[in-house]
Amino acid sequence: AQSVTQPDIHITVSEGASLELRCNYSYGATPYLFWYVQSPGQGLQLLLKYFSGDTLVQGIKGFEAEFKRSQSSFNLRKPSVHWSDAAEYFCAVGRDDYKLSFGAGTTVTVRA
Amino acid sequence: AAGVIQSPRHLIKEKRETATLKCYPIPRHDTVYWYQQGPGQDPQFLISFYEKMQSDKGSIPDRFSAQQFSDYHSELNMSSLELGDSALYFCASSLLGELFFGEGSRLTVL
Repeated sequence: AQSVTQPDIHITVSEGASLELRCNYSYGATPYLFWYVQSPGQGLQLLLKYFSGDTLVQGIKGFEAEFKRSQSSFNLRKPSVHWSDAAEYFCAVGRDDYKLSFGAGTTVTVRA
Repeated sequence: AAGVIQSPRHLIKEKRETATLKCYPIPRHDTVYWYQQGPGQDPQFLISFYEKMQSDKGSIPDRFSAQQFSDYHSELNMSSLELGDSALYFCASSLLGELFFGEGSRLTVL
């Protein structure tokens, strides 16, 4: 069975500072990995995905993530956060049929 | 570009009532997924359909049923509603590997 762990429930970061959200997965084969963002009361928006190839993946809104097989990790980063980045972030792992298992999410608060 | 459309966006029901949620996938997408997100929880997979046939089933209660129709839209039917069914229900559609989520239908059971 596949599972996803997001160790940080809540992160507070100053506007303009860098952000890193951690994600660890457990899966028996090469996973499909995703990061989604959810603003309050809104749907899930895909930030980026990894299927294969280059382990550093660029996404929308200035986000990137790095797949590290040896650490079973897929951490999300942004060099300089904006107030609009305040949201909940979900890491997800998928199988061949793309059914996703989500992590518990990390809430990001941005302070001025 | 067209996105996944879910209706209704908000629904209020009483315990033991029935609710139906609809999902209209992106045109030409052949797979539909339903997820349930309880308050403060991560989305949980309920059920999926590929080419109008059920393809996988997750933690969907027996009180819930779903189907995909010939025009590829899907409906999630929930009967004998319980307070714990209050959640945001997402539909997603996919073609070739990426899931596109709708904005969700928020069900409140009183």
